[in-house]
Amino acid sequence: QKEVEQNSGPLSVPEGAIASLNCTYSDRGSQSFFWYRQYSGKSPELIMFIYSNGDKEDGRFTAQLNKASQYVSLLIRDSQPSDSATYLCAVVDSGTYKYIFGTGTRLKVLA
Amino acid sequence: NAGVMQNPRHLVRRRGQEARLRCSPMKGHSHVYWYRQLPEEGLKFMVYLQKENIIDESGMPKERFSAEFPKEGPSILRIQQVVRGDSAAYFCASSSTGTAVPGRSGYTFGSGTRLTVV
Repeated sequence: QKEVEQNSGPLSVPEGAIASLNCTYSDRGSQSFFWYRQYSGKSPELIMFIYSNGDKEDGRFTAQLNKASQYVSLLIRDSQPSDSATYLCAVVDSGTYKYIFGTGTRLKVLA
Repeated sequence: NAGVMQNPRHLVRRRGQEARLRCSPMKGHSHVYWYRQLPEEGLKFMVYLQKENIIDESGMPKERFSAEFPKEGPSILRIQQVVRGDSAAYFCASSSTGTAVPGRSGYTFGSGTRLTVV
């Protein structure tokens, strides 16, 4: 059973701080990794994807991938209260090519 | 260009009734994917459909659940004889490509249908 693990949180950070969200996965052959943000009662929305080892930056968001350690993370700089949401990590299964989602980490940014 | 449209947004059914969830893909998309999100759990793949074809239903429960995507009209996820454990948010996504791979742009999900079984 291929898995994607996330700490459920809540992760609380003060406004303006860096929020660090982590995700580990079991499928060593996975090549594609996504971060979705889901506000309470809403649908997931894609915020980042990453395929190569290293960092990928987009505005206040940085995705980090380490395939050797099977670890992907999302950093949110200058966190805002509007960033408070659940962040879902998704990994594409190398065998079936479908998404495997983690259960999400709930982030609270305190004003 | 409307996104993925799902209705109803909220659906309440008594145990034993049928639930019908509808999904209209984005314009020009002919591939639809259904996911279920149980409370405090991640999204789980249910089924992948093309127009008039079920491509992959490996995530569908063997009984009571069925899905279709007719030539005309929305995709329908049907749950017969609902039980309390069916209470969840059901999301669909669509794409123009012919695989279940999210692709480099990921999926755009509809707003979901929240099913409550009482």
